[in-house]
Amino acid sequence: DIQMTQSPASLSASLEEIVTITCQASQDIGNWLAWYQQKPGKSPQLLIYGATSLVDGVPSRFSGSRSGTQYSLKISRLQVEDIGIYYCLQAYSGLTFGSGTKLEIK
Amino acid sequence: AVQLVESGGGLVQPGKSLKLSCSASGFTFRSYGMHWIRQAPGKGPDWVAYISSNSGTVYADAVKERFTISRDNAENTLYLQLNSLKSEDTAIYYCARSLGLGGVDWGQGVMVTVSS
Repeated sequence: DIQMTQSPASLSASLEEIVTITCQASQDIGNWLAWYQQKPGKSPQLLIYGATSLVDGVPSRFSGSRSGTQYSLKISRLQVEDIGIYYCLQAYSGLTFGSGTKLEIK
Repeated sequence: AVQLVESGGGLVQPGKSLKLSCSASGFTFRSYGMHWIRQAPGKGPDWVAYISSNSGTVYADAVKERFTISRDNAENTLYLQLNSLKSEDTAIYYCARSLGLGGVDWGQGVMVTVSS
């Protein structure tokens, strides 16, 4: 089974700061990687798919990148509405979620 | 707009069964693979099962032999039959449309609580 190691588990950052969350895949998954944001009491919302493609309507301050089997989500200028829990998801073989990153405002 | 509406959840005793439904609209249901994903209270999501557009199925090890995913393309409905329920099956169960490359459209979820 493919494992996804996500870090950090929690993150406290200031408004307008750059934030980066990473996921390391246990094997090659190509671009079969997506990022989701979840707010309390809501289902996760898709932000990025195919490792780097931004979903229509998602602010351009969100971006995704890949280096080998390491994937990153960057928020270029943190806003209040960005607080929540972020998950990566590999869909190369079955579905495996990362353990999540709780993002708070400092 | 795409809508996925789950139903059938509730409180059930250990060892009993439950059947979840997911009514889909706003897209050509028969053309998409579909997932069930669950999220235990305070935990991250876990994939449960997948059914392809031609009804091939795959299951997570934790639910294999106990859960059955199925679909009715004429009724635009996805199902999950949950048998031999355990306390660790307590979770919100989400129906989800597979978009490829990791993309998934989620429903709002339905709560299943397994407790005596």
